[in-house]
Amino acid sequence: DAGVIQSPRHEVTEMGQEVTLRCKPISGHNSLFWYRQTMMRGLELLIYFNNNVPIDDSGMPEDRFSAKMPNASFSTLKIQPSEPRDSAVYFCASSLAGGANVLTFGAGSRLTVL
Amino acid sequence: SQKIEQNSEALNIQEGKTATLTCNYTNYSPAYLQWYRQDPGRGPVFLLLIRENEKEKRKERLKVTFDTTLKQSLFHITASQPADSATYLCALLTSGTYKYIFGTGTRLKVLA
Repeated sequence: DAGVIQSPRHEVTEMGQEVTLRCKPISGHNSLFWYRQTMMRGLELLIYFNNNVPIDDSGMPEDRFSAKMPNASFSTLKIQPSEPRDSAVYFCASSLAGGANVLTFGAGSRLTVL
Repeated sequence: SQKIEQNSEALNIQEGKTATLTCNYTNYSPAYLQWYRQDPGRGPVFLLLIRENEKEKRKERLKVTFDTTLKQSLFHITASQPADSATYLCALLTSGTYKYIFGTGTRLKVLA
């Protein structure tokens, strides 16, 4: 398996633009997580899905952020409109739910909003 | 409020020594605690898991302890090597949820 695949790896955009980050989880994993990492706040959980259903989105910072998982092999995190404070590395992780739930992370998408 | 604290200052140690990293938490009742390693420009990678009813877990040169009374986990790397230099993150899972909450991580540098 190629692991969790995220795209794009790097994105530079201007304030106010829409940003879409993509994630392909490991085949067979039924839980998917979106995290954001900054120096100040560390790794923050934004939202997670179980069997394609959003379970907890309490970490989504505001309505500008939305996430979808239309099927078991694809998820998106959208920011519209983007702001400079959204600049961070966004990680997607997947796991087999139940028990210890070990996470496998993607390589991350580094977002810079100018 | 809930907190997971790791030493934010970098830890520098000499090659061959044992590195000990600390993870303290408040207002959590974790069912599982995990340790991850993160290298620059990469996502975290799972290392070890310990359950709430376990005191200690080992894997090769790695050892994790878990004290639910002290609300603390210690992560040890014995016979450390420069290749062990990375940021190490602890993560807690509360029973009944799938949410892993991470500490801010401790950067370890092993000096040759």
